[in-house]
Amino acid sequence: GQNIDQPTEMTATEGAIVQINCTYQTSGFNGLFWYQQHAGEAPTFLSYNVLDGLEEKGRFSSFLSRSKGYSYLLLKELQMKDSASYLCAVRAPGGSYIPTFGRGTSLIVHP
Amino acid sequence: DGGITQSPKYLFRKEGQNVTLSCEQNLNHDAMYWYRQDPGQGLRLIYYSQIVNDFQKGDIAEGYSVSREKKESFPLTVTSAQKNPTAFYLCASANRGNQPQHFGDGTRLSIL
Repeated sequence: GQNIDQPTEMTATEGAIVQINCTYQTSGFNGLFWYQQHAGEAPTFLSYNVLDGLEEKGRFSSFLSRSKGYSYLLLKELQMKDSASYLCAVRAPGGSYIPTFGRGTSLIVHP
Repeated sequence: DGGITQSPKYLFRKEGQNVTLSCEQNLNHDAMYWYRQDPGQGLRLIYYSQIVNDFQKGDIAEGYSVSREKKESFPLTVTSAQKNPTAFYLCASANRGNQPQHFGDGTRLSIL
């Protein structure tokens, strides 16, 4: 089975930095995705990690430690539009390549 | 522009009625998926299809049915056997390998 854990809600101030954590226990590992989802909209792809380390993409970075079953999404220079739900999804080995999603972290950015 | 189109955006179901949610993609993706999202919950997999004329049950397939007669289309039918259908339904597609899923804008289904 697969278990993915994220905080339910976080708040942060505009212009600040926030780190959203994701821990997982899965039967094998074949990659971790982060998605952003605004209320009532489609999730959009942010990042993909399969090897240990930090991947940076503009204001967003994602880190992975496979030995610890741990990832985080780092958002810098927060903007009001970053208020959204952030979904962590882990893919286990197998022919289906289907990721399992965590419950998501609702991030509220206030002025 | 390529993408995934879900329709309708809002749908209402009467008791005992079957309803069908449409999902069309022009990304030439092999695989397509249906997810259900409830408030405060993650995405739960209903059905998926990796190739035309083949599909597999996901974690919560009971009360749902699908077909995959064309590569571009993967409609989901919510049958009367699904006793709690009120949810946000998301369709996704992806290529094989390490590619991320692309999602449609979703259909919100409610009970009348």
